[in-house]
Amino acid sequence: SQQGEEDPQALSIQEGENATMNCSYKTSINNLQWYRQNSGRGLVHLILIRSNEREKHSGRLRVTLDTSKKSSSLLITASRAADTASYFCATGISGGYNKLIFGAGTRLAVHP
Amino acid sequence: DAGITQSPRYKITETGRQVTLMCHQTWSHSYMFWYRQDLGHGLRLIYYSAAADITDKGEVPDGYVVSRSKTENFPLTLESATRSQTSVYFCASSERTALSYEQYFGPGTRLTVT
Repeated sequence: SQQGEEDPQALSIQEGENATMNCSYKTSINNLQWYRQNSGRGLVHLILIRSNEREKHSGRLRVTLDTSKKSSSLLITASRAADTASYFCATGISGGYNKLIFGAGTRLAVHP
Repeated sequence: DAGITQSPRYKITETGRQVTLMCHQTWSHSYMFWYRQDLGHGLRLIYYSAAADITDKGEVPDGYVVSRSKTENFPLTLESATRSQTSVYFCASSERTALSYEQYFGPGTRLTVT
């Protein structure tokens, strides 16, 4: 079974709106990462948050991590049409030799 | 060119044939990974390698073989392809450091088994 589960599976918004995606996981983690995948392309790393961090920012991205609830959220502010992609959370397991376990992803569509 | 490349990008093969997917990275990253991506499943780890000559199974290794004789290359072989192995395959690499866990992905190989 998957470690990370994203919610919602799909999200459709207008340009300028904020997009929030959630990720829940099951076991203890070392870090949690978010990746973006444009249609037909490989995944691109967006941001990493370590298990001892609660919030992290990178440009228009804000990630939170709640280890007590085993959950994370990715907020994209002021969305643009170019943000249209699938977003995946991936958990790094303690002692897992840099292995990541990916969720099924959230498909985000941002309409002009 | 620097980065991580995969070849071929597209492959159609018949059931029972052996197929090898190639992955090459120029960063000298210690870790390399093979994933398959299927609709509704996200990415599932097939095999990974922590260094040359060190490989280990991931979540879905059955029917696949890997080798890593050189740090920069990590080929994935389907010994006898089956239709269930129709998928998009991604190779990734990562540095060996406690401060950096990001993985860098190749463009993928779309494999169709008929």
